[in-house]
Amino acid sequence: QQQVKQSPQSLIVQKGGISIINCAYENTAFDYFPWYQQFPGKGPALLIAIRPDVSEKKEGRFTISFNKSAKQFSLHIMDSQPGDSATYFCAAAIQGAQKLVFGQGTRLTINP
Amino acid sequence: NAGVTQTPKFRVLKTGQSMTLLCAQDMNHEYMYWYRQDPGMGLRLIHYSVGEGTTAKGEVPDGYNVSRLKKQNFLLGLESAAPSQTSVYFCASSYSPPSGIYDEQFFGPGTRLTVL
Repeated sequence: QQQVKQSPQSLIVQKGGISIINCAYENTAFDYFPWYQQFPGKGPALLIAIRPDVSEKKEGRFTISFNKSAKQFSLHIMDSQPGDSATYFCAAAIQGAQKLVFGQGTRLTINP
Repeated sequence: NAGVTQTPKFRVLKTGQSMTLLCAQDMNHEYMYWYRQDPGMGLRLIHYSVGEGTTAKGEVPDGYNVSRLKKQNFLLGLESAAPSQTSVYFCASSYSPPSGIYDEQFFGPGTRLTVL
């Protein structure tokens, strides 16, 4: 019930392409869905987050799409750049809960 | 502001040895977390604290202990290290709980621990 399943585990995209990372969850009590970005040798950092009252949130080239009925959410990176190469984690939390549940991570490589 | 700092950055232990990892934050955050990161496993919560003097178990607490004697510090201890504890350990802090208004977790740079 607390799991968040993330796919794919690794992804290679050409520069300028669209990168898509998917996450699925079972617990319908989750109401907060952030994405964290981690560069090699660094700690993760918050990239973008969404709450289930909207189906999409966009910040620059990064978009979260949320499908409440399917219990899925995804990260889209438009016009992917080599500087986007990193590991991406989706996560989820329940309102009032004190901790996040993270997905398994996706290692994204953008080829120049 | 230094943000979240972790000490040490690297450590090699022998099986059965003990050590303490130190996390410090200068953002006056109430919430602090210890995670471990393993390939294909994502970030797994070990222990967390919702304020000075409080601690709670996370997803994978066995073999670890924690203390939060001061608001700015969160210590992670390994009493008798095992090879299965070889991992990268991250500390994080936040002003409010996840899904709160100030929900961002700020992560430290990590500690790479190898247990032989």
